[in-house]
Amino acid sequence: GIQVEQSPPDLILQEGANSTLRCNFSDSVNNLQWFHQNPWGQLINLFYIPSGTKQNGRLSATTVATERYSLLYISSSQTTDSGVYFCAVAGFNTDKLIFGTGTRLQVFP
Amino acid sequence: NAGVMQNPRHLVRRRGQEARLRCSPMKGHSHVYWYRQLPEEGLKFMVYLQKENIIDESGMPKERFSAEFPKEGPSILRIQQVVRGDSAAYFCASSPPAERYEQYFGPGTRLTVT
Repeated sequence: GIQVEQSPPDLILQEGANSTLRCNFSDSVNNLQWFHQNPWGQLINLFYIPSGTKQNGRLSATTVATERYSLLYISSSQTTDSGVYFCAVAGFNTDKLIFGTGTRLQVFP
Repeated sequence: NAGVMQNPRHLVRRRGQEARLRCSPMKGHSHVYWYRQLPEEGLKFMVYLQKENIIDESGMPKERFSAEFPKEGPSILRIQQVVRGDSAAYFCASSPPAERYEQYFGPGTRLTVT
């Protein structure tokens, strides 16, 4: 099956800093989503982005499908950005999402 | 438009009891997925259902676990004779009646087996 790798595994930032999270996947995909799991365990949809670039406020994401990676950019970090960020993909002819192991982000004031 | 709803949010069961987890998809969604998150791990796919049909159950444990999505009512994930290793967060997601669309996740049910 498709392998999904995320980096870095851990990230510690001071409020106001910018960061880039990376997701590499081992095969062509038909679906790619980014999620934020907050400290209370809730999973929040950030982007549905099998290709191209999207922006939502301080967050943006880019997927280069031909090179099998996606990037999540967080600008001007806030403490409420803390949590774990997951990338998940689904290959062609399947709908099940395969999740990466996540990037744990801690933002300090 | 209400999001995906799951209940209960927290469930405590003793070893050997049954656990029933419910998921109501978003309005207009007819595809339901169940995922499990063991402590300190990522989410793993369990099963994919459409109304009255199991489409893909490749992630379901062979024994004690079952899922259904009846014509009327929520989807149910049932775990019989629970063991401590079943303690996890169980997330449900739904998507519109077309393939390969964004999946929207519910808040999860946290199962604790004592």
